[in-house]
Amino acid sequence: QKEVEQDPGPLSVPEGAIVSLNCTYSNSAFQYFMWYRQYSRKGPELLMYTYSSGNKEDGRFTAQVDKSSKYISLFIRDSQPSDSATYLCATYGSSNTGKLIFGQGTTLQVKP
Amino acid sequence: GAVVSQHPSWVICKSGTSVKIECRSLDFQATTMFWYRQFPKQSLMLMATSNEGSKATYEQGVEKDKFLINHASLTLSTLTVTSAHPEDSSFYICSASGGGNTIYFGEGSWLTVV
Repeated sequence: QKEVEQDPGPLSVPEGAIVSLNCTYSNSAFQYFMWYRQYSRKGPELLMYTYSSGNKEDGRFTAQVDKSSKYISLFIRDSQPSDSATYLCATYGSSNTGKLIFGQGTTLQVKP
Repeated sequence: GAVVSQHPSWVICKSGTSVKIECRSLDFQATTMFWYRQFPKQSLMLMATSNEGSKATYEQGVEKDKFLINHASLTLSTLTVTSAHPEDSSFYICSASGGGNTIYFGEGSWLTVV
């Protein structure tokens, strides 16, 4: 079992839709979770960072962590064509090395 | 947010030659940087952890003599692909910790070996 699982999609939605992107993780000791957005042929861009459980909101983006079910989510409200990208969830894992463990990435297409 | 810069963005080299990619943290000091490789439609694969002033730590299966990493200062790490071959063609990305448990990535460097 991979430490972080993410459905690769692709996910296609119409403009204005609410998008839900999800990951599951295997180790309850994981504490820090991040969402990155990666446009084609570019490096990942940090979108959201959360610690432990709960929600965090930033503009149209909301990150949610449910530690009881080991489930993390990223919600995008009022999705725009410019949101079309690959979204990667990541965690530091249980070690303190700074290494990130990534999900496979979900490719999102927002159609105008 | 913190900025990590990579150079060059694109490089084409002949088979058998070496190519160097630079990774700089522009507005913070990074004692640790990370080098990744990414194949099309796949996630990032960690190659090595670059530690300022000491040897890099390579992931299993990564040839340290082929992928030379130097982290000579708190703002610069370099990856040198030695004796490059077409199978080394890939997207190479570096990252660095900006403090506060956040990791920032560079824009990536596309290497094509012909």
